[in-house]
Amino acid sequence: GAVVSQHPSWVICKSGTSVKIECRSLDFQATTMFWYRQFPKQSLMLMATSNEGSKATYEQGVEKDKFLINHASLTLSTLTVTSAHPEDSSFYICSASDRGQPQHFGDGTRLSIL
Amino acid sequence: QKEVEQDPGPLSVPEGAIVSLNCTYSNSAFQYFMWYRQYSRKGPELLMYTYSSGNKEDGRFTAQVDKSSKYISLFIRDSQPSDSATYLCAMSGVSGTYKYIFGTGTRLKVLA
Repeated sequence: GAVVSQHPSWVICKSGTSVKIECRSLDFQATTMFWYRQFPKQSLMLMATSNEGSKATYEQGVEKDKFLINHASLTLSTLTVTSAHPEDSSFYICSASDRGQPQHFGDGTRLSIL
Repeated sequence: QKEVEQDPGPLSVPEGAIVSLNCTYSNSAFQYFMWYRQYSRKGPELLMYTYSSGNKEDGRFTAQVDKSSKYISLFIRDSQPSDSATYLCAMSGVSGTYKYIFGTGTRLKVLA
């Protein structure tokens, strides 16, 4: 149980394009979803927290206009990296939680901006 | 001082050894303590989830929480090469849905 699916697992795109990453909870309702960024050999850096039907809460230093988060249903959240540039290249990971239960993570998306 | 301190390793042990992984923390408000395992280029996988102080066992894994010392541990018995991964501790002050504070992760290598 508690499976989180993240798609795509790897994406390469040109600088200036927008990229959408999907995060789905497959067998539970995700009342809260989290988006993280991870640099090589470093821990997870929380970018934003979203509750279903509400606007996301962004961590300090994260540009909300650059990283658009939508959590329109109890099983789906999306992260859109707008006008991506090489410095946005990273490993992005989502997690989902159901009402007080621990977070379960997707397998991440490797984003490479050329 | 970081809120959560974790030895980054790497830690190398022979197959079958008992592994001890630890985290210390400074915030006495933390109530929920988690251990995750992360393989290279994958997302973290929940191993253990404990509330407040005490021990919890699941198969070869045992999690210990000592709130008086602000110290948590994960023990792995009969370690296997497949246990080679990065182990992350995480903590939260409120419910499990609140944001977590992660340790930096300990890289473990179990040698066959």
